[in-house]
Amino acid sequence: QKEVEQDPGPLSVPEGAIVSLNCTYSNSAFQYFMWYRQYSRKGPELLMYTYSSGNKEDGRFTAQVDKSSKYISLFIRDSQPSDSATYLCAMRTYSSASKIIFGSGTRLSIRP
Amino acid sequence: DVKVTQSSRYLVKRTGEKVFLECVQDMDHENMFWYRQDPGLGLRLIYFSYDVKMKEKGDIPEGYSVSREKKERFSLILESASTNQTSMYLCASSPGEQGYQPQHFGDGTRLSIL
Repeated sequence: QKEVEQDPGPLSVPEGAIVSLNCTYSNSAFQYFMWYRQYSRKGPELLMYTYSSGNKEDGRFTAQVDKSSKYISLFIRDSQPSDSATYLCAMRTYSSASKIIFGSGTRLSIRP
Repeated sequence: DVKVTQSSRYLVKRTGEKVFLECVQDMDHENMFWYRQDPGLGLRLIYFSYDVKMKEKGDIPEGYSVSREKKERFSLILESASTNQTSMYLCASSPGEQGYQPQHFGDGTRLSIL
């Protein structure tokens, strides 16, 4: 079983829809949770990160962590065609700065 | 803005060749990383370095080595390239301070081994 599971998609939604992207994990020691966005032929760029449980909002993006269920989500409101990309969840323990575990990524397409 | 530059975007090499992938960062970061990215497998850590001349193995170091002679430069070496090393290779860097410090990625080198 992988430490981090992410549905690969592809996920296709119309412009303006709310998008929900999710990951589950098995290691209860994970404390930092991140979402990266990767455009085609580019490296991943950090979108958001949260420490421990709770919600974090940044513009149209909201990250949620539910440690009791070992489940994290990224919500995108008012989705735009420019949001079309692969979204990678990632997580690490408190002490292991070098050891980040990545999900395999969800490919998202926003239809105009 | 942090800039992580990988020397080649696309590279084609032959089986058995020694291959060098170069990465340079301009933010004086202590930590540097090499990952490979394959469909369905996500990013997997090959090696990382937390200081000049220091290195540690990641999850999949077999068939690879690294060199960090200067703080800003981290090289990945395929000692004898094989077809199963065809992949996207991503370099990243991060500061060495405690607490959360995000990794900044380059745009990757797509390597094909024929």
